[in-house]
Amino acid sequence: EVVLTQSPATLSVSPGERVTLSCRAGQTIANNLAWYQQKPGQAPRLLILGASTRAIDVPARFSGRGSGTEFTLTISSLQSEDFAVYYCQHYNGWPPEATFGPGTKVDF
Amino acid sequence: QVQLQESGPGLVRPSDTLSLTCDVSGHSITSDNWWGWIRQPPGKRPEWITYFYYTGSDYRNPSLKSRLTMSADTSKNQFSLKLASVTAADTATYYCARSSGGVVPNWFDSWGHGIQVTVSS
Repeated sequence: EVVLTQSPATLSVSPGERVTLSCRAGQTIANNLAWYQQKPGQAPRLLILGASTRAIDVPARFSGRGSGTEFTLTISSLQSEDFAVYYCQHYNGWPPEATFGPGTKVDF
Repeated sequence: QVQLQESGPGLVRPSDTLSLTCDVSGHSITSDNWWGWIRQPPGKRPEWITYFYYTGSDYRNPSLKSRLTMSADTSKNQFSLKLASVTAADTATYYCARSSGGVVPNWFDSWGHGIQVTVSS
């Protein structure tokens, strides 16, 4: 099982700031990583797949980078609707499985 | 646009079997997609339960593997999950989701709203 760690656990920011979240894999996973946003009482929403490809209808202020074991999600200018918890997810191991990181909470 | 909706009991007694159904609209479950179940205990990260293909193929979380049964009803465009011998540790919000198409399942691009399930006597 691939273990994912995320940092920081909590990030206190203000609207308009640039935010970078980190996800680290315990072993190399190529670019088999997705990012999700989850707001209270809602299901996770897919933001990024393949480490760097934005999902449909995701604003351009969200970008993903990385490969191997180190990955980042950047929000170029934080909007009020971006306050949420962000999870990374590994996929495409063998046998196929999905593993989620512990999350980073972005709040005021 | 695909929509998913979970249904089932909100309260299950310990040692009983949890049964959930996911109704899918706007997309056929027989299309080239895997489908999934994910759960999330309160305040914790999501936990993957299973990837499921309508023909019956599946991949399961090893920690839950022996307690899981999955099935599909293509006439109703729905798929189902059964989790046997539940304990308090199975208390969570359960989500069904669509995994993108391909030979190997991967990310989840559409999710249901989730159903809160509590295991308690």
